[in-house]
Amino acid sequence: GNSVTQMEGPVTLSEEAFLTINCTYTATGYPSLFWYVQYPGEGLQLLLKATKADDKGSNKGFEATYRKETTSFHLEKGSVQVSDSAVYFCALANQGGKLIFGQGTELSVKP
Amino acid sequence: GAGVSQSPSNKVTEKGKDVELRCDPISGHTALYWYRQSLGQGLEFLIYFQGNSAPDKSGLPSDRFSAERTGGSVSTLTIQRTQQEDSAVYLCASIPAWGNEQFFGPGTRLTVL
Repeated sequence: GNSVTQMEGPVTLSEEAFLTINCTYTATGYPSLFWYVQYPGEGLQLLLKATKADDKGSNKGFEATYRKETTSFHLEKGSVQVSDSAVYFCALANQGGKLIFGQGTELSVKP
Repeated sequence: GAGVSQSPSNKVTEKGKDVELRCDPISGHTALYWYRQSLGQGLEFLIYFQGNSAPDKSGLPSDRFSAERTGGSVSTLTIQRTQQEDSAVYLCASIPAWGNEQFFGPGTRLTVL
């Protein structure tokens, strides 16, 4: 079956540090891949997406590249800010569009 | 414009009672999904409606859970004879016909005492 595995948190970084949150997936066919973010006290928001192999999604300084050969979609940001503190969810969707989520990674950025 | 709305935002109920959770999707969106977010299980798919097709109920955890979508718009998720393990945040999302981004509502936090 389809599944998503992402690195466990919490991840604690200092402001301006480099961020990587690993995400790997197992899926039949050619899923679309997503990163969702949940800021404290808020709902889930789409951060970025990629719909086919080698696509790069980007938004708010975050990037992730759809790597079919390694079945990965790692999230990166060159310089994190305190305001990036949130829980990040990697997800895939294929037939029917229903999302399969990873377990979430909590990021805490300290000034 | 208006996003996905859900009501109530919080619901506290006693074990064994029935509850109804409501979702109003974005106008014109054709597909509607229910998920739940709990500490032990993370984010789980529950049920999916697409137009007039039969819903995909493959994620419903037991026959105490049911959902309907009236007129292709508003959806109600019903949990009968609630149990403490049903405590979670229930999320609704909708998606337009032309895209694959799901827009999530704020959720309903259900607490079963």
